[in-house]
Amino acid sequence: EPEVTQTPSHQVTQMGQEVILRCVPISNHLYFYWYRQILGQKVEFLVSFYNNEISEKSEIFDDQFSVERPDGSNFTLKIRSTKLEDSAMYFCANYGTPYGYTFGSGTRLTVV
Amino acid sequence: AQKITQTQPGMFVQEKEAVTLDCTYDTSDPSYGLFWYKQPSSGEMIFLIYQGSYDQQNATEGRYSLNFQKARKSANLVISASQLGDSAMYFCAMRSLFSGGYNKLIFGAGTRLAVHP
Repeated sequence: EPEVTQTPSHQVTQMGQEVILRCVPISNHLYFYWYRQILGQKVEFLVSFYNNEISEKSEIFDDQFSVERPDGSNFTLKIRSTKLEDSAMYFCANYGTPYGYTFGSGTRLTVV
Repeated sequence: AQKITQTQPGMFVQEKEAVTLDCTYDTSDPSYGLFWYKQPSSGEMIFLIYQGSYDQQNATEGRYSLNFQKARKSANLVISASQLGDSAMYFCAMRSLFSGGYNKLIFGAGTRLAVHP
């Protein structure tokens, strides 16, 4: 079964730095999502993306966040100026036929 | 607004016994889907089982079954014959199908299951 691949698996960054989290979705699965999970807490929706534009975003997804499909295959989440509270596991998810929702293995972001 | 409630922060079960993890949901949409995911200590989200709101029968996948009670808005996960490898965090999630497209999943707070030998 195809996988959603996320890189890096773990990233440590200094507060105020920009980070880009990358996701390679399943081919022909056209709905993309980013979720965040602060350690030990619930999984929170950040943003959904379809047809090369954001279809929905949460209150968490403020101006510090952006998403792109820079080359038509990869799907990225950028945090422009990281804060300590951005430390979390970030999941990319993909929806399509026939595999339904598929989550990547996550990127653990640590802001120091 | 849609909401998922998991009232059991932690559960313990003896190996080989069955365990039920509770999930209640709130939605005004007539069409929706309910999911259960397993998150082991390694962190990945593993899909377990899905129940559509119009499905006539409760979903089953191997040792996992979903006790769907639509009138009570509950979708409890039943794990039969628990194994040590079932120790993990379990999340209940819902998506609305009413407004078209494939909307986001909304997650509950999760239940941490510990299986004892």
